[in-house]
Amino acid sequence: EAQVTQNPRYLITVTGKKLTVTCSQNMNHEYMSWYRQDPGLGLRQIYYSMNVEVTDKGDVPEGYKVSRKEKRNFPLILESPSPNQTSLYFCASSLGSPGHYGYTFGSGTRLTVV
Amino acid sequence: QQQVKQSPQSLIVQKGGISIINCAYENTAFDYFPWYQQFPGKGPALLIAIRPDVSEKKEGRFTISFNKSAKQFSLHIMDSQPGDSATYFCAASGEYGNKLVFGAGTILRVKS
Repeated sequence: EAQVTQNPRYLITVTGKKLTVTCSQNMNHEYMSWYRQDPGLGLRQIYYSMNVEVTDKGDVPEGYKVSRKEKRNFPLILESPSPNQTSLYFCASSLGSPGHYGYTFGSGTRLTVV
Repeated sequence: QQQVKQSPQSLIVQKGGISIINCAYENTAFDYFPWYQQFPGKGPALLIAIRPDVSEKKEGRFTISFNKSAKQFSLHIMDSQPGDSATYFCAASGEYGNKLVFGAGTILRVKS
């Protein structure tokens, strides 16, 4: 089944403890992206990648890192999480630019930072 | 600031009624306007999309109306059903389609 898989689905952590949220897609998509969803703010892009070793900042990149060493994987790293990073996170992938092909989203990771 | 402004925040419609969600944008470089549907516990899924060369696109009970001069577009759900209860996001992209910006979302509840 074609899908975007995120892990974990739920995560509670403490302030300052480094964490990684994994994202993997099995559709050979070139474009991958991370969004965070907050009530009243919709989906805001954190980082995106147009291909292996090519990443760029989205609208809210502060406090996050990403890497794209392989086409299928696009992990999101929080080096020192803070409570304002408590959110619902989505990874998404697209065959090419999402403005032409649309996104396939993962099921989300709900992160709580205490 | 929000590049795509969506309203209303929430909407309650009776079964069989018409649900209407509106979006407005400022950036005239936007050239792709999709709508995504999100059920609880799931990621958003592409529902329907339109490009500015047409004023309306219909797929089943879902219709996008697009007004280029007013820089507005809307989603109409005809004969709304309880199974349509979800959060709906409008979005827009330009710049060769590499960035998709989303509205704040509308929580739709269809009462049976």
